[in-house]
Amino acid sequence: DAKTTQPTSMDCAEGRAANLPCNHSTISGNEYVYWYRQIHSQGPQYIIHGLKNNETNEMASLIITEDRKSSTLILPHATLRDTAVYYCNRWASGTYKYIFGTGTRLKVLA
Amino acid sequence: NAGVTQTPKFQVLKTGQSMTLQCAQDMNHNSMYWYRQDPGMGLRLIYYSASEGTTDKGEVPNGYNVSRLNKREFSLRLESAAPSQTSVYFCASRPQGAGNTIYFGEGSWLTVV
Repeated sequence: DAKTTQPTSMDCAEGRAANLPCNHSTISGNEYVYWYRQIHSQGPQYIIHGLKNNETNEMASLIITEDRKSSTLILPHATLRDTAVYYCNRWASGTYKYIFGTGTRLKVLA
Repeated sequence: NAGVTQTPKFQVLKTGQSMTLQCAQDMNHNSMYWYRQDPGMGLRLIYYSASEGTTDKGEVPNGYNVSRLNKREFSLRLESAAPSQTSVYFCASRPQGAGNTIYFGEGSWLTVV
């Protein structure tokens, strides 16, 4: 099964950018990088995804290295409500078997 | 718009009892999933159904059975509950042709004593 590596936990000051790294050094050409987050014990929520190019939406930005071996999720102005576990996943187009990574527990500090 | 609805939200079972967790989605999604999440741990895929009429094992299928009753509903059954199955169970669904964005329910808290 596809694996990613993330730091177990990170802290970020409120108002600052939170940069969450993810290593996926063995990613295949047809695999996308997907980020989800889980606040408290709620169901996980989709944030953003990308294949090669950097992506931005209203929630976050995703920076993927040129060799696609790693990526960074950026929350530009972290708030206390961004405290959550962030999951980086690599899933191939057309797959159905969604295995989640172990995630990074982000704590935003006041 | 309800999205993905799970019942019950909370349940306490005695060891050896059986029960079924129900999941229904009203978004006309083709694929449905069951995950478990143990305290302080990540999500683990139990079973999934790529489309109506099909089911497949995930990472941790032992001790569970599933039924894709129709396109809307996907149930998870514990035939003989064990304390190791104490967990939060999440159901999710995915629309056809929408990449890999999946939508989760709010979870069902199960305690086996």
